[in-house]
Amino acid sequence: GDSVTQMEGPVTLSEEAFLTINCTYTATGYPSLFWYVQYPGEGLQLLLKATKADDKGSNKGFEATYRKETTSFHLEKGSVQVSDSAVYFCALSDRGTSYDKVIFGPGTSLSVIP
Amino acid sequence: NAGVTQTPKFRILKIGQSMTLQCTQDMNHNYMYWYRQDPGMGLKLIYYSVGAGITDKGEVPNGYNVSRSTTEDFPLRLELAAPSQTSVYFCASSLRTSGRNIQFFGPGTRLTVL
Repeated sequence: GDSVTQMEGPVTLSEEAFLTINCTYTATGYPSLFWYVQYPGEGLQLLLKATKADDKGSNKGFEATYRKETTSFHLEKGSVQVSDSAVYFCALSDRGTSYDKVIFGPGTSLSVIP
Repeated sequence: NAGVTQTPKFRILKIGQSMTLQCTQDMNHNYMYWYRQDPGMGLKLIYYSVGAGITDKGEVPNGYNVSRSTTEDFPLRLELAAPSQTSVYFCASSLRTSGRNIQFFGPGTRLTVL
């Protein structure tokens, strides 16, 4: 079945460092891809999305490109801030089901220190 | 719009007790979901609903029940609480649009069963 794999955390970075969180997926169809972010004590919220190959999603300085050839959707940010400390979830939406099933990766915890 | 609201925020139950987790959304979304989040495990789908009067099981439905009498409300019922149900529970909703399922999450209910 469909699945999402993310790099294991926790990840600790200094402020202004470059961030990459790797995400790869397995899907039988042609999914949409998402990154969600969960700040401490809150629910998940959509960070960015991409719906077809070579699409680049971007928001708040974060970017991810839908790479169909490598089945990847890596999250990047050029200069992280303390306020970016959160858990990041890669996800895919399978359009083949009746309810657009969303499959989440296990999450990667990011801590940014001043 | 309040978005997705959940009550209570925290609850401690004794083994065998029952409770209902409330979830309400004011975005007129047709799809609603219940997930549980265990530490380091990502989200697992418990139940979902594609509209009022229609519910179906997700990955981990045992020990839970749901109902959907209105578009807005999607309560989750635990009948005989067990320690294995200690988790954080998230309700989410979405509006299916061309198969691009963007889910909006509530703030979560942290449940402990002792």
